[in-house]
Amino acid sequence: ETGVTQSPTHLIKTRGQQVTLRCSSQSGHNTVSWYQQALGQGPQFIFQYYREEENGRGNFPPRFSGLQFPNYSSELNVNALELDDSALYLCASSFFGGLRTEAFFGQGTRLTVV
Amino acid sequence: KNQVEQSPQSLIILEGKNCTLQCNYTVSPFSNLRWYKQDTGRGPVSLTIMTFSENTKSNGRYTATLDADTKQSSLHITASQLSDSASYICVAETSGTYKYIFGTGTRLKVLA
Repeated sequence: ETGVTQSPTHLIKTRGQQVTLRCSSQSGHNTVSWYQQALGQGPQFIFQYYREEENGRGNFPPRFSGLQFPNYSSELNVNALELDDSALYLCASSFFGGLRTEAFFGQGTRLTVV
Repeated sequence: KNQVEQSPQSLIILEGKNCTLQCNYTVSPFSNLRWYKQDTGRGPVSLTIMTFSENTKSNGRYTATLDADTKQSSLHITASQLSDSASYICVAETSGTYKYIFGTGTRLKVLA
């Protein structure tokens, strides 16, 4: 176990709906990154949060947004869901500031859009 | 464009055999090279991490190598076990942003 927990583990939503995924980071970590992993593909970077501010973003539209809270936990929000949003969503917790930072992944949230 | 390519895409070996997975990366500025193991439907678990100045790193039966000049890395698995069946993902990290560039992974199947 990595100490990074994601909720829920599985979720089914209808196209056009909105969804919020949650991630609790590992104790002592101050950075959370979110990734989208389609079936059979490697994870794709969505964005990263450091000290409650977005600190880098991948090639994802604005309907993908996030938050990081003072306790460093994080949310990923996706509006106007599309069928292609169906994927495993992973969050990774790390400590920004070290020379070589280990990142620990949660078990993921499997989102299915129908 | 930052990208990571892995080969082979999939691999089937018999229990007890060795295998080597390949990774080529084009990432700039480059910071670290990581190998992760990912069981189906689960989050990736770190196996090794190497900075640009490190050539090799071992973790039990897993040995990773890095050639920063040719931008290639390999993961060697010794005496494979059934539990090694998983996807192995190579990840190049850009410096400064801690942004990870993931490869698509090699799906390894170990047969009894």
